[in-house]
Amino acid sequence: GAGVSQTPSNKVTEKGKYVELRCDPISGHTALYWYRQSLGQGPEFLIYFQGTGAADDSGLPNDRFFAVRPEGSVSTLKIQRTERGDSAVYLCASSSTGPQSPLHFGNGTRLTVT
Amino acid sequence: DAKTTQPNSMESNEEEPVHLPCNHSTISGTDYIHWYRQLPSQGPEYVIHGLTSNVNNRMASLAIAEDRKSSTLILHRATLRDAAVYYCILRVPNTGNQFYFGTGTSLTVIP
Repeated sequence: GAGVSQTPSNKVTEKGKYVELRCDPISGHTALYWYRQSLGQGPEFLIYFQGTGAADDSGLPNDRFFAVRPEGSVSTLKIQRTERGDSAVYLCASSSTGPQSPLHFGNGTRLTVT
Repeated sequence: DAKTTQPNSMESNEEEPVHLPCNHSTISGTDYIHWYRQLPSQGPEYVIHGLTSNVNNRMASLAIAEDRKSSTLILHRATLRDAAVYYCILRVPNTGNQFYFGTGTSLTVIP
């Protein structure tokens, strides 16, 4: 079946602009995660959804970052007033519930802030 | 936090077995050990997971120490396509956020 889909695959924006990154998880997966990955580093946790609600948003770096999942499926990561330091690959993953359930990742959105 | 430590890099000859170690001395009794790998320009890919017993699947084997404070991912015959960064992660039950990646082990496969 279809895997996790992230759009766009690449996004270039100017400093100060607003961006939205979209994630389509695997159908039926209740858990959805956002990670951010800088060059040479492992993925950094941002936020975790269980259904429609954000169960843990402790990884969001500041209030410019916000994510929603209104119907418990598609999620959007929103970044306001982008800064050059926000440039990274933003990864989305989904899974079924339970500690044995593996995460299924998309290929990410590469965000470049100029 | 449930943390893991891995060597930064390893090398292996093609068609030789590879043993990738991971230390997780603070592991709790119900924490699952997961391994992922990440090829260039791709998202991480699930490899294998286990709790107490050794596990085998089509991709790899996972050997878990008796005290569970360490584990080893075994690739039986390394191929060039196995060159990737391998991450060892502890997944804590009932806490979906406890899926922290370290910097992983970068595996180079030499032809």
